[in-house]
Amino acid sequence: NAGVTQTPKFQVLKTGQSMTLQCAQDMNHEYMSWYRQDPGMGLRLIHYSVGAGITDQGEVPNGYNVSRSTTEDFPLRLLSAAPSQTSVYFCASSSGLAGGLEQFFGPGTRLTVL
Amino acid sequence: DAKTTQPNSMESNEEEPVHLPCNHSTISGTDYIHWYRQLPSQGPEYVIHGLTSNVNNRMASLAIAEDRKSSTLILHRATLRDAAVYYCILRDVIINYKLIFGSGTRLLVRP
Repeated sequence: NAGVTQTPKFQVLKTGQSMTLQCAQDMNHEYMSWYRQDPGMGLRLIHYSVGAGITDQGEVPNGYNVSRSTTEDFPLRLLSAAPSQTSVYFCASSSGLAGGLEQFFGPGTRLTVL
Repeated sequence: DAKTTQPNSMESNEEEPVHLPCNHSTISGTDYIHWYRQLPSQGPEYVIHGLTSNVNNRMASLAIAEDRKSSTLILHRATLRDAAVYYCILRDVIINYKLIFGSGTRLLVRP
């Protein structure tokens, strides 16, 4: 299994540009989520999905859109990038939401918005 | 959500045991205690979790206080590869859609 994969690894955008961060998992996990990590801080939840066709907002959803058309993929869209969105973005998945389950994280996408 | 408190940083010598503490005095009866670690430039990695009893796996041991208000992650023989930020996180046993990351403990391992 490849686990959780993310592309691209690095991206530089100009203010106002749009882009999509890709996330895929091959573990048939129902639950997927996106976090952002700013320098020296822990991760914060942006959006999550409990299954194909179902998404919801996390702690910091403003400026981001998501959709979940398949179990495997959970892309994160930035419609109009802002410097405040400069961060490292991590995608995660797990087989469910029960508190005893571990989450699997991808390697991250490092995004810089100029 | 219940909060956790960890020291900002700790140091250890290679091949010595490391005890990473975590306080969670407001833990509820339905909270699991999870530990994740994040190696430099990587995503977080699951280490271990427990509810009431001490737990062991191939990576570490988790010692949970009898009143569950604190726990300790034990790395039995630290290696240079164990240098990372370690996060202690509480998750409700029934349903919890997010992991609440604090600032964690940065572990430095000296050769």
